[in-house]
Amino acid sequence: QKEVEQNSGPLSVPEGAIASLNCTYSDRGSQSFFWYRQYSGKSPELIMFIYSNGDKEDGRFTAQLNKASQYVSLLIRDSQPSDSATYLCAVSGGSNYKLTFGKGTLLTVNP
Amino acid sequence: EAGVAQSPRYKIIEKRQSVAFWCNPISGHATLYWYQQILGQGPKLLIQFQNNGVVDDSQLPKDRFSAERLKGVDSTLKIQPAKLEDSAVYLCASSPVAGAGNTIYFGEGSWLTVV
Repeated sequence: QKEVEQNSGPLSVPEGAIASLNCTYSDRGSQSFFWYRQYSGKSPELIMFIYSNGDKEDGRFTAQLNKASQYVSLLIRDSQPSDSATYLCAVSGGSNYKLTFGKGTLLTVNP
Repeated sequence: EAGVAQSPRYKIIEKRQSVAFWCNPISGHATLYWYQQILGQGPKLLIQFQNNGVVDDSQLPKDRFSAERLKGVDSTLKIQPAKLEDSAVYLCASSPVAGAGNTIYFGEGSWLTVV
């Protein structure tokens, strides 16, 4: 059974700080890695995806991937109260590109 | 572009009753997914369709859950008979095709409470 593990949280940071969210995965054959944000009572929405080792930046968000360590992270710079949500790490692989999610990390940004 | 449509949004049923959820994916999307999300957990894939064929249903409790995607467009997920532990949000999602880096888009979900 392929597993995706996330730091359990909840994570609380002050407004303007950097929030760091971490994820590890068990399947070395995984090919694509996604971060979704889910507000309470809403469906997941895609923030970023990454499939090459290194960093990928999009505005205040940076995804980092290290396939050797089977580790992917999401950094949120200049955190805002509107970033308060559950962040889901998802990993895709296999012949059907099955997407497996972690349990999520609840982030709270305090004004 | 219209998103993934799901109905009903909310449903309350008694245990041992049946329920059906409907999903209309984004136009042109070949791959359709049904996920189950229990409160406090991440989504769990129940079934994945490529056009109207099943490519993964390894986590679908087949003794009580069934799903179909006729004509490769709309899909229906049925639960019969329902158990208390089936209380969850049922998320339908779609993507153009299943592939590396391919994004899937979620509907708003169908919230099921079994009492």
